[in-house]
Amino acid sequence: AQSVTQLDSQVPVFEEAPVELRCNYSSSVSVYLFWYVQYPNQGLQLLLKYLSGSTLVESINGFEAEFNKSQTSFHLRKPSVHISDTAEYFCAVRFTHNAGNMLTFGGGTRLMVKP
Amino acid sequence: EAGVTQFPSHSVIEKGQTVTLRCDPISGHDNLYWYRRVMGKEIKFLLHFVKESKQDESGMPNNRFLAERTGGTYSTLKVQPAELEDSGVYFCASSQDRRTTYEQYFGPGTRLTVT
Repeated sequence: AQSVTQLDSQVPVFEEAPVELRCNYSSSVSVYLFWYVQYPNQGLQLLLKYLSGSTLVESINGFEAEFNKSQTSFHLRKPSVHISDTAEYFCAVRFTHNAGNMLTFGGGTRLMVKP
Repeated sequence: EAGVTQFPSHSVIEKGQTVTLRCDPISGHDNLYWYRRVMGKEIKFLLHFVKESKQDESGMPNNRFLAERTGGTYSTLKVQPAELEDSGVYFCASSQDRRTTYEQYFGPGTRLTVT
């Protein structure tokens, strides 16, 4: 069965420091990749996505993620975090050989930005 | 445009009781999905509607769960009778035509606690 792994359940970091949240998935078949963010007391919001084309994708608030097919990874990075980035981040994969639209999620990474 | 809405936001019921969760997707979205996150684990797919038809219900845990989408608009997810392990956050998501966009828009979730 396909799976998505987020190795770090929690990542504490100081404000203005760089951060990387790791995501690996199990299969080398064609995939669509997503990062969702859940701020406290809110629903899931799409942060960025990779469907095709350039392997580096960016969000409007400074995050970026790079699709690495050989390593089956889609790590999320930000060069300088803010207090407001404190949230839980979820990596999600749609395995396209599957006729359905279901997303397979990782376990989530709680990013805690400290002043 | 209103986002995906879910009702109630929280529900606390006793084991053996019945609970019905409601999801209103974004207007015009034919695809509607239910996901669940039990405490400390991954968000897992439950089922997918296309309009009023169940496209994929492979994630439904057992026959105590019944999902409906009469008329292809809002959906309900009924748990009867509820068990302790049903506690978690139930998310609903919706999306447009699967051939043109793969983004799923999530609601804020319903937190279900079974005591």
